Amino acid sequence: DAGVTQSPTHLIKTRGQHVTLRCSPISGHKSVSWYQQVLGQGPQFIFQYYEKEERGRGNFPDRFSARQFPNYSSELNVNALLLGDSALYLCASSREAGEQFFGPGTRLTVL
Amino acid sequence: AQSVTQLDSHVSVSEETPVLLRCNYSSSYSPSLFWYVQHPNKGLQLLLKYTSAATLVKGINGFEAEFKKSETSFHLTKPSAHMSDAAEYFCVVSEPAGSARQLTFGSGTQLTVLP
Repeated sequence: DAGVTQSPTHLIKTRGQHVTLRCSPISGHKSVSWYQQVLGQGPQFIFQYYEKEERGRGNFPDRFSARQFPNYSSELNVNALLLGDSALYLCASSREAGEQFFGPGTRLTVL
Repeated sequence: AQSVTQLDSHVSVSEETPVLLRCNYSSSYSPSLFWYVQHPNKGLQLLLKYTSAATLVKGINGFEAEFKKSETSFHLTKPSAHMSDAAEYFCVVSEPAGSARQLTFGSGTQLTVLP
Protein backbone atom coordinates (compact mmCIF):
# COMPACT_ATOMS: atom_id res chain seq x y z
CA ASP A 1 0.00 0.00 0.00
CA ALA A 2 1.17 3.52 -0.73
CA GLY A 3 2.02 5.70 2.24
CA VAL A 4 1.00 9.29 2.80
CA THR A 5 1.93 11.40 -0.21
CA GLN A 6 2.46 15.15 -0.32
CA SER A 7 2.96 17.60 -3.14
CA PRO A 8 4.92 19.50 -4.09
CA THR A 9 8.19 18.32 -2.54
CA HIS A 10 9.74 21.77 -2.55
CA LEU A 11 8.32 25.20 -3.10
CA ILE A 12 9.77 28.72 -3.25
CA LYS A 13 7.51 31.75 -2.80
CA THR A 14 7.96 35.44 -2.06
CA ARG A 15 6.50 37.42 0.82
CA GLY A 16 2.82 38.25 0.42
CA GLN A 17 2.07 35.38 -1.94
CA HIS A 18 -0.35 32.52 -1.37
CA VAL A 19 0.51 28.80 -1.27
CA THR A 20 -1.47 25.56 -1.43
CA LEU A 21 -0.02 22.28 -0.19
CA ARG A 22 -1.63 18.92 -0.90
CA CYS A 23 -1.82 15.63 0.95
CA SER A 24 -3.22 12.19 0.09
CA PRO A 25 -3.78 9.88 3.06
CA ILE A 26 -3.23 6.16 3.25
CA SER A 27 -6.14 4.26 1.78
CA GLY A 28 -8.81 3.70 4.44
CA HIS A 29 -7.63 6.57 6.64
CA LYS A 30 -10.27 9.25 7.18
CA SER A 31 -8.29 11.63 9.39
CA VAL A 32 -5.63 14.05 8.19
CA SER A 33 -3.48 16.31 10.35
CA TRP A 34 -1.08 19.10 9.36
CA TYR A 35 2.10 20.10 11.20
CA GLN A 36 4.68 22.85 10.70
CA GLN A 37 8.32 22.04 11.45
CA VAL A 38 10.63 25.04 11.55
CA LEU A 39 14.33 24.22 11.18
CA GLY A 40 15.79 22.99 14.44
CA GLN A 41 12.43 22.52 16.19
CA GLY A 42 9.83 19.81 16.66
CA PRO A 43 6.69 19.77 14.51
CA GLN A 44 3.81 21.97 15.69
CA PHE A 45 0.17 21.02 15.21
CA ILE A 46 -1.80 23.19 12.77
CA PHE A 47 -5.06 21.37 11.96
CA GLN A 48 -6.80 18.03 12.15
CA TYR A 49 -9.69 16.98 9.90
CA TYR A 50 -11.89 13.91 10.16
CA GLU A 51 -14.65 13.07 7.70
CA LYS A 52 -14.29 16.57 6.19
CA GLU A 53 -14.90 18.28 9.52
CA GLU A 54 -12.28 20.29 11.42
CA ARG A 55 -11.55 18.50 14.67
CA GLY A 56 -8.75 20.61 16.02
CA ARG A 57 -6.80 23.76 15.37
CA GLY A 58 -3.42 24.77 16.74
CA ASN A 59 -2.18 28.23 17.64
CA PHE A 60 -1.75 29.58 14.11
CA PRO A 61 -3.09 32.82 12.58
CA ASP A 62 -6.14 32.95 10.32
CA ARG A 63 -3.81 33.15 7.32
CA PHE A 64 -3.63 29.37 7.66
CA SER A 65 -6.65 27.38 6.49
CA ALA A 66 -7.33 23.83 5.38
CA ARG A 67 -10.00 21.60 4.00
CA GLN A 68 -10.63 17.91 3.42
CA PHE A 69 -12.28 16.50 0.34
CA PRO A 70 -14.76 13.59 -0.05
CA ASN A 71 -11.87 11.27 -0.99
CA TYR A 72 -10.18 12.31 2.32
CA SER A 73 -7.31 14.13 0.64
CA SER A 74 -6.54 17.53 2.08
CA GLU A 75 -5.18 20.95 1.22
CA LEU A 76 -3.39 23.43 3.46
CA ASN A 77 -3.56 27.05 2.36
CA VAL A 78 -1.42 29.88 3.63
CA ASN A 79 -2.15 33.49 2.62
CA ALA A 80 0.05 36.58 2.81
CA LEU A 81 3.23 34.57 3.30
CA LEU A 82 5.82 35.81 5.78
CA LEU A 83 9.49 34.91 5.99
CA GLY A 84 8.69 33.02 9.21
CA ASP A 85 6.40 30.65 7.33
CA SER A 86 9.48 28.98 5.83
CA ALA A 87 9.35 25.44 7.17
CA LEU A 88 8.77 21.78 6.44
CA TYR A 89 5.01 21.14 6.33
CA LEU A 90 4.08 17.61 7.34
CA CYS A 91 0.85 15.78 6.73
CA ALA A 92 -0.19 12.73 8.76
CA SER A 93 -3.09 10.36 8.27
CA SER A 94 -4.77 7.94 10.66
CA ARG A 95 -7.89 5.99 11.30
CA GLU A 96 -10.17 7.78 13.75
CA ALA A 97 -8.18 6.69 16.79
CA GLY A 98 -4.78 5.30 16.11
CA GLU A 99 -1.23 5.81 15.03
CA GLN A 100 -0.52 8.79 12.80
CA PHE A 101 1.53 8.01 9.69
CA PHE A 102 3.56 10.90 8.32
CA GLY A 103 4.32 11.88 4.77
CA PRO A 104 7.74 13.11 3.63
CA GLY A 105 6.70 16.75 3.85
CA THR A 106 6.74 19.84 1.65
CA ARG A 107 9.70 22.17 2.11
CA LEU A 108 8.45 25.77 1.77
CA THR A 109 10.94 28.61 1.39
CA VAL A 110 9.66 32.20 1.56
CA LEU A 111 12.00 34.86 0.16
CA ALA B 1 -2.60 21.39 28.54
CA GLN B 2 -0.04 18.82 27.50
CA SER B 3 3.67 19.46 27.01
CA VAL B 4 6.91 17.59 26.53
CA THR B 5 10.46 18.48 27.55
CA GLN B 6 13.41 16.71 25.98
CA LEU B 7 16.24 17.29 28.37
CA ASP B 8 19.12 17.05 25.90
CA SER B 9 19.26 18.76 22.51
CA HIS B 10 22.32 16.73 21.47
CA VAL B 11 23.62 13.33 22.60
CA SER B 12 26.80 11.68 21.35
CA VAL B 13 27.64 8.03 21.97
CA SER B 14 30.20 5.62 20.62
CA GLU B 15 29.10 2.73 18.47
CA GLU B 16 28.05 -0.34 20.50
CA THR B 17 27.56 1.69 23.72
CA PRO B 18 24.17 2.34 25.38
CA VAL B 19 21.85 5.14 24.33
CA LEU B 20 19.69 7.20 26.74
CA LEU B 21 17.44 9.98 25.44
CA ARG B 22 15.51 11.73 28.22
CA CYS B 23 11.93 12.98 28.10
CA ASN B 24 9.59 14.47 30.71
CA TYR B 25 5.93 15.15 30.03
CA SER B 26 3.08 17.14 31.49
CA SER B 27 -0.52 16.05 30.99
CA SER B 28 -3.91 16.63 32.58
CA TYR B 29 -5.10 13.18 31.59
CA SER B 30 -3.66 9.71 31.26
CA PRO B 31 -1.59 10.37 28.18
CA SER B 32 -0.45 8.38 25.22
CA LEU B 33 3.29 8.79 24.71
CA PHE B 34 5.35 8.14 21.61
CA TRP B 35 8.89 8.30 20.34
CA TYR B 36 9.41 9.20 16.67
CA VAL B 37 12.66 9.22 14.68
CA GLN B 38 13.47 11.52 11.77
CA HIS B 39 16.38 10.73 9.47
CA PRO B 40 17.67 13.52 7.20
CA ASN B 41 15.35 14.16 4.27
CA LYS B 42 12.97 11.44 5.40
CA GLY B 43 9.59 11.45 7.10
CA LEU B 44 8.87 10.79 10.75
CA GLN B 45 8.82 7.12 11.74
CA LEU B 46 7.17 5.76 14.88
CA LEU B 47 9.65 3.90 17.12
CA LEU B 48 7.29 2.94 19.93
CA LYS B 49 4.16 3.99 21.82
CA TYR B 50 2.72 3.78 25.33
CA THR B 51 -1.07 3.67 25.68
CA SER B 52 -1.70 2.66 29.34
CA ALA B 53 -0.77 -1.01 28.99
CA ALA B 54 2.64 -2.31 30.10
CA THR B 55 4.91 0.43 31.41
CA LEU B 56 7.97 -0.99 29.62
CA VAL B 57 7.43 -0.59 25.91
CA LYS B 58 9.51 -2.29 23.25
CA GLY B 59 9.82 -0.73 19.83
CA ILE B 60 11.58 -1.26 16.55
CA ASN B 61 15.33 -1.53 16.01
CA GLY B 62 16.04 -2.56 19.62
CA PHE B 63 14.70 0.61 21.24
CA GLU B 64 12.58 0.58 24.37
CA ALA B 65 11.10 3.11 26.79
CA GLU B 66 9.74 2.99 30.32
CA PHE B 67 6.71 5.02 31.45
CA LYS B 68 7.22 6.29 35.00
CA LYS B 69 4.14 8.14 36.19
CA SER B 70 5.69 9.18 39.52
CA GLU B 71 8.55 10.87 37.67
CA THR B 72 6.45 11.95 34.64
CA SER B 73 9.20 10.52 32.45
CA PHE B 74 9.36 8.43 29.30
CA HIS B 75 13.06 7.95 28.55
CA LEU B 76 14.20 6.12 25.41
CA THR B 77 17.01 3.55 25.65
CA LYS B 78 18.92 1.13 23.49
CA PRO B 79 21.61 -1.25 24.81
CA SER B 80 23.99 -0.89 21.87
CA ALA B 81 24.07 1.96 19.35
CA HIS B 82 24.59 1.44 15.64
CA MET B 83 25.80 4.00 13.15
CA SER B 84 22.40 3.84 11.48
CA ASP B 85 20.76 5.16 14.69
CA ALA B 86 22.17 8.65 14.06
CA ALA B 87 19.08 10.84 13.59
CA GLU B 88 16.73 13.31 15.32
CA TYR B 89 14.45 11.80 17.95
CA PHE B 90 11.19 13.32 19.15
CA CYS B 91 9.22 12.53 22.29
CA VAL B 92 5.50 13.10 21.73
CA VAL B 93 2.41 13.26 23.96
CA SER B 94 -1.23 12.91 22.96
CA GLU B 95 -4.38 13.25 25.05
CA PRO B 96 -6.57 11.42 25.90
CA ALA B 97 -5.09 7.93 25.74
CA GLY B 98 -5.55 6.27 22.37
CA SER B 99 -6.81 9.36 20.59
CA ALA B 100 -5.61 10.28 17.15
CA ARG B 101 -5.96 13.92 18.01
CA GLN B 102 -3.29 16.56 18.33
CA LEU B 103 0.25 15.36 18.91
CA THR B 104 2.51 17.64 20.93
CA PHE B 105 6.19 17.20 20.04
CA GLY B 106 9.26 17.93 22.09
CA SER B 107 12.03 20.05 20.61
CA GLY B 108 14.03 16.98 19.60
CA THR B 109 17.32 15.30 20.49
CA GLN B 110 19.99 14.94 17.83
CA LEU B 111 21.77 11.61 18.31
CA THR B 112 25.31 11.31 16.97
CA VAL B 113 26.97 7.88 16.89
CA LEU B 114 30.76 7.94 16.79
CA PRO B 115 32.79 5.11 15.23
